[in-house]
Amino acid sequence: GAGVSQSPRYKVTKRGQDVALRCDPISGHVSLYWYRQALGQGPEFLTYFNYEAQQDKSGLPNDRFSAERPEGSISTLTIQRTEQRDSAMYRCASTPWASGGNEQFFGPGTRLTVL
Amino acid sequence: KQEVTQIPAALSVPEGENLVLNCSFTDSAIYNLQWFRQDPGKGLTSLLLIQSSQREQTSGRLNASLDKSSGRSTLYIAASQPGDSATYLCAVAGGTSYGKLTFGQGTILTVHP
Repeated sequence: GAGVSQSPRYKVTKRGQDVALRCDPISGHVSLYWYRQALGQGPEFLTYFNYEAQQDKSGLPNDRFSAERPEGSISTLTIQRTEQRDSAMYRCASTPWASGGNEQFFGPGTRLTVL
Repeated sequence: KQEVTQIPAALSVPEGENLVLNCSFTDSAIYNLQWFRQDPGKGLTSLLLIQSSQREQTSGRLNASLDKSSGRSTLYIAASQPGDSATYLCAVAGGTSYGKLTFGQGTILTVHP
């Protein structure tokens, strides 16, 4: 079946603009995670959802970052008033159940560049 | 706060060699440990998942072990091939957001013919 998909794959924007990154998880997967990965580093947790409920947003760097998953499927990560330091790879992952023992399946990521 | 360290940061070996990648973590209260492969410009591919109650997992030429009490995991790759060249990431799930993964910085592996 189809894996996790993310769009756009690449996004170049100017400082101060808002961007919306989309994640479409594997069909039926309950939990959805967002991570951010800087060049040469491992991914860092941002936030996650079980169904439509945001369970933990402790990794969001500041209030310019927000995420939603209104129908418990597709999720959008929004960054307002982008800054150059927001440039990174943004990765999304999903798991079939809402528990800690699951394998996470990752999408291809969205490469965000803020000029 | 969980911290994950991977050693070495980079490794270059000739084809056919057996090799070991190391991962250590500071908080032993984990749910599982997952090894990923990352290829340039592509997503993360899950290689092996070891639950906290398990000691090891095997898939083909890959074998991962877990020693939760000492906070260590190793990924053993047998008979390495040039196609194994990639960045290998170790990640642990645990803490209050029990599904959240904490990643190491990765080991860049190059297997030359």
